[in-house]
Amino acid sequence: DGGITQSPKYLFRKEGQNVTLSCEQNLNHDAMYWYRQDPGQGLRLIYYSQIVNDFQKGDIAEGYSVSREKKESFPLTVTSAQKNPTAFYLCASRPQVAVNTEAFFGQGTRLTVV
Amino acid sequence: SQQGEEDPQALSIQEGENATMNCSYKTSINNLQWYRQNSGRGLVHLILIRSNEREKHSGRLRVTLDTSKKSSSLLITASRAADTASYFCATALNTGFQKLVFGTGTRLLVSP
Repeated sequence: DGGITQSPKYLFRKEGQNVTLSCEQNLNHDAMYWYRQDPGQGLRLIYYSQIVNDFQKGDIAEGYSVSREKKESFPLTVTSAQKNPTAFYLCASRPQVAVNTEAFFGQGTRLTVV
Repeated sequence: SQQGEEDPQALSIQEGENATMNCSYKTSINNLQWYRQNSGRGLVHLILIRSNEREKHSGRLRVTLDTSKKSSSLLITASRAADTASYFCATALNTGFQKLVFGTGTRLLVSP
């Protein structure tokens, strides 16, 4: 089945550690996104990528890094520089060629700093 | 910063009633989209309305767009308990159209 998969579903991190969240899609979409959602809040854009080997900072990129080496994959690393990383992280993808297209979301990764 | 602001933040209604949520945004857009999120899950796309459209329907959903006021509304008619979720608007901006920016969401509770 086509879709977008995030792993793991739950992730626990000790303070000072880097962690990487996985996002894989088999929809052949060019554009991929990472969002952060805090309890009772909306989604805030961390990074997005429109094409392989290219990505752009969103509104809250500090303390995060990404790579886009393959079209299917857009991993997000939460670094120790991110002061408040506990949140729900959502990955999404969209086709590139059409402007008016919907986004498809993964089921999210809940990251907790312990 | 978030482009869209939904109003109200929370809405509680009875089954069978209509639910209306509003979204305001700040800059020119290519399209506006509405999504639904069940608690602790990913978002699911509901409907997309283009900047040159004023109204769109999909089943029990009706979306309007007023670009002069930079606002949109989502109407869910004859609501059901299963409609309980958070609803978000998202705008695809005119500059860098692949940047999809979400609002703050409306939490809808539909009681049986």
